[in-house]
Amino acid sequence: KNQVEQSPQSLIILEGKNCTLQCNYTVSPFSNLRWYKQDTGRGPVSLTIMTFSENTKSNGRYTATLDADTKQSSLHITASQLSDSASYICVVSERSSASKIIFGSGTRLSIRP
Amino acid sequence: GAGVSQSPRYKVTKRGQDVALRCDPISGHVSLYWYRQALGQGPEFLTYFNYEAQQDKSGLPNDRFSAERPEGSISTLTIQRTEQRDSAMYRCASSFSTSGEQYFGPGTRLTVT
Repeated sequence: KNQVEQSPQSLIILEGKNCTLQCNYTVSPFSNLRWYKQDTGRGPVSLTIMTFSENTKSNGRYTATLDADTKQSSLHITASQLSDSASYICVVSERSSASKIIFGSGTRLSIRP
Repeated sequence: GAGVSQSPRYKVTKRGQDVALRCDPISGHVSLYWYRQALGQGPEFLTYFNYEAQQDKSGLPNDRFSAERPEGSISTLTIQRTEQRDSAMYRCASSFSTSGEQYFGPGTRLTVT
C-alpha cells in the first residue's frame, strides 16, 4: 500500500532556530514530491516540488531534499519566524495514468518568541 | 487572475439531505482535484479530472459521493443522503497539467447535523 509518513507529528522551537521535518514514503512508481505549508483555517500552499532527478530545492528559508533511493525527503527551515507556525504536509504523486496523490498527515510546527 | 474559488464557503445541512459543492478552477487549468480534510489532518484525495474526464475516483468513500465536470471547467461534488460522518472541509485544487503544481481553493466547510 502506498504510504507517506511524516515525523515528528508536532514540533515546538524558539524563534530564530532552525528545524528539519522528515517525510518517508513507499509510493511507487514515483513521480514527484511536494511540500506544502498550511496555516490554520487556510488551504495548503506549495513550497517546493521535486521530481526523481532533483536532490534539493530551495524557496527562501525553506530547503527541501529528496533521496529517491531511500525514499526520504526533508524540509529544512532556517532562522524560523513566528509566521512559520503552520502544518507542513508532504505529498507524493504516483507515476501512472491515474496519477494518484498521497498526502502525509503533516507536522504541526509552532514557533515560540 | 483569480485563484480557485469554492462555494458555498459554509454549508450546514440536516442528515439525509443532498448537498452540492462547487469548484471554479483557475482559468486554463486542465486538472481539477477534490479532497476532504478532517480537522488536524492532511487532505484526503477523493477524485480528479483532466478536462471533463474523471480520471480517478478511487478516493470517493462510497456511492453517495459523485463528481462531475461536464465542460472541463467548473466542477460539482455531490453528496447524497448526507450523514454526520460526512462533516469535513472539502477542498478543491487545480493545476495546469496533471503533474503540475496544485493551487487550492478556500474550501467548503460542511456540517451535517
